[in-house]
This record gives sequence, structure tokens and C-alpha cells, in this order.
Amino acid sequence: SYGLTQPPSVSVSPGQTARITCSGDALPKQYAYWYQQKPGQAPVLVIYKDTERPSGIPERFSGSSSGTIVTLTISGVQAEDEADYYCQSTDSSPWVFGGGTKLTVL
Amino acid sequence: EVQLVQSGAEVKKPGESLKISCKTSGYSFTSHWIGWVRQMPGKGLDWMGIIYPGDSDTRYSPSFQGQVTISADKSVSTAYLQWSSLKASDTAMYYCARPQEITIIRGVITVGGWFDPWGQGTLVTVSS
Repeated sequence: SYGLTQPPSVSVSPGQTARITCSGDALPKQYAYWYQQKPGQAPVLVIYKDTERPSGIPERFSGSSSGTIVTLTISGVQAEDEADYYCQSTDSSPWVFGGGTKLTVL
Repeated sequence: EVQLVQSGAEVKKPGESLKISCKTSGYSFTSHWIGWVRQMPGKGLDWMGIIYPGDSDTRYSPSFQGQVTISADKSVSTAYLQWSSLKASDTAMYYCARPQEITIIRGVITVGGWFDPWGQGTLVTVSS
């Protein structure tokens, strides 16, 4: 089992908004981070410190936090955004991951 | 540009030993922690451990303590992950990655920060 809880799957049509949630008891006190992993590739950081976007990550990726839930939002989803997304934070362990959410672009 | 380049895929038999590598470039190897993350087939990400090459301070996840050994060679800016006796359950993709903004208070990692960048991964297959 994983320390953070994510829905196994989310599906959206191109151009719509995808929201992927991640819940955990420590999230009100700890930052959350999000990674995108495409098939056969290594994870890539898309959001850090809840809301910050690394250079090179498209503006359509954004993060938010409210209590024990953090959310990755992808606005205007494109086919290339189809991937697994993992949240990560600190809890009983310095690095705790969610189980991952498969984003399907219909 | 920071780069982490891992060694190639391995196929081993149960009981065999193995050492995989992560060669780094583009930054001061001895001034930053570097870690390993496991991804079993079709599964999520598990933190295994980290090492600070400057003084070889090594920290393991309780789940991997005693199961693997993490080391670093400053002369070639390379981190290693090794097993003395592989099991079928070690079959997985292994990533090296650089943790950012670790907080250590009185010798204890209290905040892990995030991993960036990541190596391309090394697939380890253990099968008789």
C-alpha cells in the first residue's frame, strides 16, 4: 500500500480539464510534488511545493492544496498528456508516494 | 545540465549478485544527495535509500535496509546500488534520482523534498 491516496484512473476528452487528487494526513503540513510518467520513460517532475511549476513544464499544468487534499490540474488536456501521474510528499517516511493515477485522453 | 545516466538492463538468476550504476554529470557530485527508487512491474514508486557522496552518509528506507547496499565513487561521480543475493521479487525497474531540499534535524531526515532529475532507469530481471 502507499502512504498517499490517488484515484486509479481519470479520463477526459481533449481540450477538457483533468483534475487528479491526492490525499494524505500530512499534506496540511508538508508540501506535495507531482510526477508524470509516460510508458517506458522515467518520471518527470511537473509540480513542486504544491503549486510551483519547473521550467519547461507547460502552463496548463497547475497544482493546488486544501487541507488533506492536493490536486493536479491539467487545463486544455492534450493527447500527449496521457500518462501515469504520481503525487509524493513527506509523512512517516521522508518520501511517500501515491499509488498513481492513469490519465486517459479519450 | 544535470544528467544521470544509468547502466543497462540486467538478467540474473536467483542467488546471484549485482551492482548497477548511475553516472552523474553537470553538478558537484560530492555536494548533493543522490537516491534510488524502485518500480515493480505495473506498480508505483518506492523510495529505497539515498547517499551523500561527500562523506558517504547513507540512509535506507526501512523496507530496503539490509536488502541492498548503496555506495558512491567520487572519482567517477557515480552512485551504485547492489545486491549480494538476488530474489525473483527484486525484478523491477530501478531509477536513480537527485533529491532536492532535504531537511535534516539532529541527524534525522525530517523532510525529503522532491526528486529531480531522474536517470533513465535500469531494468533488473531475476529469473531461473
